[in-house]
Amino acid sequence: GDSVTQMEGPVTLSEEAFLTINCTYTATGYPSLFWYVQYPGEGLQLLLKATKADDKGSNKGFEATYRKETTSFHLEKGSVQVSDSAVYFCALTGLTGSTLGRLYFGRGTQLTVWP
Amino acid sequence: EADIYQTPRYLVIGTGKKITLECSQTMGHDKMYWYQQDPGMELHLIHYSYGVNSTEKGDLSSESTVSRIRTEHFPLTLESARPSHTSQYLCASSGTGGVNTIYFGEGSWLTVV
Repeated sequence: GDSVTQMEGPVTLSEEAFLTINCTYTATGYPSLFWYVQYPGEGLQLLLKATKADDKGSNKGFEATYRKETTSFHLEKGSVQVSDSAVYFCALTGLTGSTLGRLYFGRGTQLTVWP
Repeated sequence: EADIYQTPRYLVIGTGKKITLECSQTMGHDKMYWYQQDPGMELHLIHYSYGVNSTEKGDLSSESTVSRIRTEHFPLTLESARPSHTSQYLCASSGTGGVNTIYFGEGSWLTVV
């Protein structure tokens, strides 16, 4: 079945460091891929998405490229800030039958950025 | 900015009480979802609906029930709360047809004592 495997955390970085959070997926066909972010005490917010191979999603300095050949959608940011401290979830949407439109999440990666 | 609202945001109740978590969206979305988030952060789909009078169980078995009498409203009910129901519950919705972005509410934190 459809699934997402996400780099386990927690990840701790200093401000202005480079961030990579790995995400790989298993799916039939070509799902849409998402990164969601959850700040402390809040719900999930869509960070970025990509709907087809080689698409690059970007938002707030974060980027992720849909790589069909490696079934990956790694999240990157060149210079993190303290305000980026949150939990990040990689997700994909199902494409067929009862999975259509449903989100399948990775386990989440806790990021802490120190000043 | 998504217009999906959950109430209450925080609730502490005693064992055996009946509770209803409310979820409303003003975007006219046909699909709505409830996720349960455990302390380890993992998200589990417990209920979903693809339209009025349509509800399905999700991937994680839950003692809660849902209803979808109106497009904009998708409440979740626990008839008799237990400490094992302590969790965060996230409501979400997405638009009509095919694959669409799913938008989340801010969550309801439930503590059963």
